[in-house]
Amino acid sequence: AQKITQTQPGMFVQEKEAVTLDCTYDTSDPSYGLFWYKQPSSGEMIFLIYQGSYDQQNATEGRYSLNFQKARKSANLVISASQLGDSAMYFCAMRGEYGGATNKLIFGTGTLLAVQP
Amino acid sequence: NAGVTQTPKFQVLKTGQSMTLQCAQDMNHNSMYWYRQDPGMGLRLIYYSASEGTTDKGEVPNGYNVSRLNKREFSLRLESAAPSQTSVYFCASSDVRPQETQYFGPGTRLLVL
Repeated sequence: AQKITQTQPGMFVQEKEAVTLDCTYDTSDPSYGLFWYKQPSSGEMIFLIYQGSYDQQNATEGRYSLNFQKARKSANLVISASQLGDSAMYFCAMRGEYGGATNKLIFGTGTLLAVQP
Repeated sequence: NAGVTQTPKFQVLKTGQSMTLQCAQDMNHNSMYWYRQDPGMGLRLIYYSASEGTTDKGEVPNGYNVSRLNKREFSLRLESAAPSQTSVYFCASSDVRPQETQYFGPGTRLLVL
């Protein structure tokens, strides 16, 4: 069965510093996708970044990058130059498989990031 | 471009009442989903629809029904609400392979007393 593990319930980071949010996953599928979403206090889920299991390079989107280590089954999110607006809950998710279909997301429990001025 | 919209934003029900949560997307996506989010947990899939005319159960389908009305709309119905269904409900739709990113609506906060 597929599983996502986020071991950091909460983290602090100073404004303008970089921060890494951990995510490990478990799957037996040869092909899968990994996603990070941001959930600010307003509640919406905002897509940040995607990494495909066959992608040769780590994904980057602006200040977000994904440190993908396939052998270790980890997909950590790195936020560079943290801003106060980055304070939010962050979820790691994997496109898993239920009953043969392949496009459902399995979520971790999230990491609450607080950016301090 | 509205993306994924959900109505209502908030709802309070009494145990045993019924209601339907509405979801619509304007991105021409084939697949749509319903999730629930409980405190301290990530989102869990209730039902999904891979294409118009098809629906399938997710991880936590008990107590819910869905209807894929057309390509744009996917509704979630609680026939007899229970306090355990107090949650935040998110609708999502996804684009095509290989990435199939899911885009979420703003959520519906439901309280069942």
